[in-house]
Amino acid sequence: ELKVEQNPLFLSMQEGKNYTIYCNYSTTSDRLYWYRQDPGKSLESLFVLLSNGAVKQEGRLMASLDTKARLSTLHITAAVHDLSATYFCAADSGGGADGLTFGKGTHLIIQP
Amino acid sequence: DTGVSQDPRHKITKRGQNVTFRCDPISEHNRLYWYRQTLGQGPEFLTYFQNEAQLEKSRLLSDRFSAERPKGSFSTLEIQRTEQGDSAMYLCASSFPEPGWGEKLFFGSGTQLSVL
Repeated sequence: ELKVEQNPLFLSMQEGKNYTIYCNYSTTSDRLYWYRQDPGKSLESLFVLLSNGAVKQEGRLMASLDTKARLSTLHITAAVHDLSATYFCAADSGGGADGLTFGKGTHLIIQP
Repeated sequence: DTGVSQDPRHKITKRGQNVTFRCDPISEHNRLYWYRQTLGQGPEFLTYFQNEAQLEKSRLLSDRFSAERPKGSFSTLEIQRTEQGDSAMYLCASSFPEPGWGEKLFFGSGTQLSVL
């Protein structure tokens, strides 16, 4: 059974600082996804990582995937208040069956 | 708006009643998923359709839950004899996977179910 663990689950940080969210998964999965969820809203896709060593960046967010370590990271550079949200990583077992398995999410608060 | 739409946004019901939710996916997407999300948790997979065929169901999906996608377009999720433990956000997502591009899911805004 595929399991996905994120840490930390809660993070409060100041604007301008850098931080990293970690996502570990338990079994072989070559595809890793990051989503953002604002309070009361649905999930918005941020990144799709499809191979070992994949790195994607958009604005102040950068995601990477190490399939050998079964680890993905989401790095936040010079955080701004607008990035406050809950961030989920998800992995899939391939082929659409069982859908995506999500972590519990990292609730990120960025304070001025 | 060409995103995934769900109806209703909120549903309050009494324990033991039946409820039905609807999801309209992005029109060209052939895959449709139902997830359930409770407070402080990530979405949990419930079931998945490819076109009109229901290909996978989670063991979380008791026999009180049934989903259909009759013409491969919209889908309904029905919960019979609701229990308080069914209270959650029910999310629908759709996708059109392309080889080499993974499976990016597009989520609807969800239906928040409260069972009293």
